[in-house]
Amino acid sequence: DAKTTQPPSMDCAEGRAANLPCNHSTISGNEYVYWYRQIHSQGPQYIIHGLKNNETNEMASLIITEDRKSSTLILPHATLRDTAVYYCIARGVNTGRRALTFGSGTRLQVQP
Amino acid sequence: GAVVSQHPSWVICKSGTSVKIECRSLDFQATTMFWYRQFPKQSLMLMATSNEGSKATYEQGVEKDKFLINHASLTLSTLTVTSAHPEDSSFYICSALGGATNEKLFFGSGTQLSVL
Repeated sequence: DAKTTQPPSMDCAEGRAANLPCNHSTISGNEYVYWYRQIHSQGPQYIIHGLKNNETNEMASLIITEDRKSSTLILPHATLRDTAVYYCIARGVNTGRRALTFGSGTRLQVQP
Repeated sequence: GAVVSQHPSWVICKSGTSVKIECRSLDFQATTMFWYRQFPKQSLMLMATSNEGSKATYEQGVEKDKFLINHASLTLSTLTVTSAHPEDSSFYICSALGGATNEKLFFGSGTQLSVL
């Protein structure tokens, strides 16, 4: 799986959009970009994933650059409950039954 | 969405005892489950891959005789920490492959193990 790079921490004001960047410059054509988050002392929670088109669901939007070398997770209206560590992970489409490999993620602190 | 239930959420035990952690996929069948371990302020580290009906595959450095994994059904995998010692104190998290094409991993809520 391609290596991903994320800033170690970010702050965001409550009610504002949180934009979390991820660099995956060596991603290959068959690798998806996944986003998970982990709230303190809980298991990771799936947020969204995409291949090359932008994706949106009830939790967030995923914007992938045209060259696929980077992406941004957008939480449109951050709340205090969005404070968590956010993980960006690249994973191949045809990986079989393999686990996800977690990096160190971005610690997002939503400020009141 | 798919739900993975993990039990217990926390456990305290004496050194030398064994602890069993259960992981269940509640609304889907999971032929493959994964067990992770997470130490404070660190990321998740994969310990082993559990396949229903076959032996688990362990990551390098993880002792298979110490961390016994059983995946006897399509909805249940268990991790037993045998003869636990204080250095085994950690946050243990299970996950299961789900989604239409097994493209998503769903995680349990984790088990905090403290060995005295």
